[in-house]
Amino acid sequence: SQQGEEDPQALSIQEGENATMNCSYKTSINNLQWYRQNSGRGLVHLILIRSNEREKHSGRLRVTLDTSKKSSSLLITASRAADTASYFCATASTGTASKLTFGTGTRLQVTL
Amino acid sequence: GAGVSQSPSNKVTEKGKDVELRCDPISGHTALYWYRQSLGQGLEFLIYFQGNSAPDKSGLPSDRFSAERTGGSVSTLTIQRTQQEDSAVYLCASSPPGGGVRTEAFFGQGTRLTVV
Repeated sequence: SQQGEEDPQALSIQEGENATMNCSYKTSINNLQWYRQNSGRGLVHLILIRSNEREKHSGRLRVTLDTSKKSSSLLITASRAADTASYFCATASTGTASKLTFGTGTRLQVTL
Repeated sequence: GAGVSQSPSNKVTEKGKDVELRCDPISGHTALYWYRQSLGQGLEFLIYFQGNSAPDKSGLPSDRFSAERTGGSVSTLTIQRTQQEDSAVYLCASSPPGGGVRTEAFFGQGTRLTVV
């Protein structure tokens, strides 16, 4: 079963607009990560936020984490056509076996 | 060195045949994951190796699926008596030591398996 669920499942915006994707999860976590996937192949790590952090920035990416609500959001500012991809959140559970569990993904389409 | 390498890139097999999928993780990475992704879907966790610990096999969908990791490096995912519903992209990822806080995963390009 999926640990996380992204919302929305699909998002279509125009270039220059901001894109916001949300992720909810179920269990206690060590950290939460966001990944990007092009063309249904390998995923690329974007950003990691630890459970004791509330917000993190990397370039045009901004991630927030609310552990009380077990939710996170990924904001991509000033989107570009090249940002078109699927975005997944992944959680590393607490405990010694910190396996990564992925959400269902958001398909982002950025049009010119 | 190079990133995570998976082979083959594509595999077409007949229903009922066995297949082996290979993953070469990044050197020095102690954690190795296998995931399955059906078309347009999320990543389904299959199995997780961490160092010398017993693997977490909780995601394997049936006893037709098995995986090994020899010498703490290369891993092979074996699917016996393949079925059409096994058709998917099989993704491998590895992570550096540290666990817990530092668990960024590096993915291979996947093996697209088609069972006909």
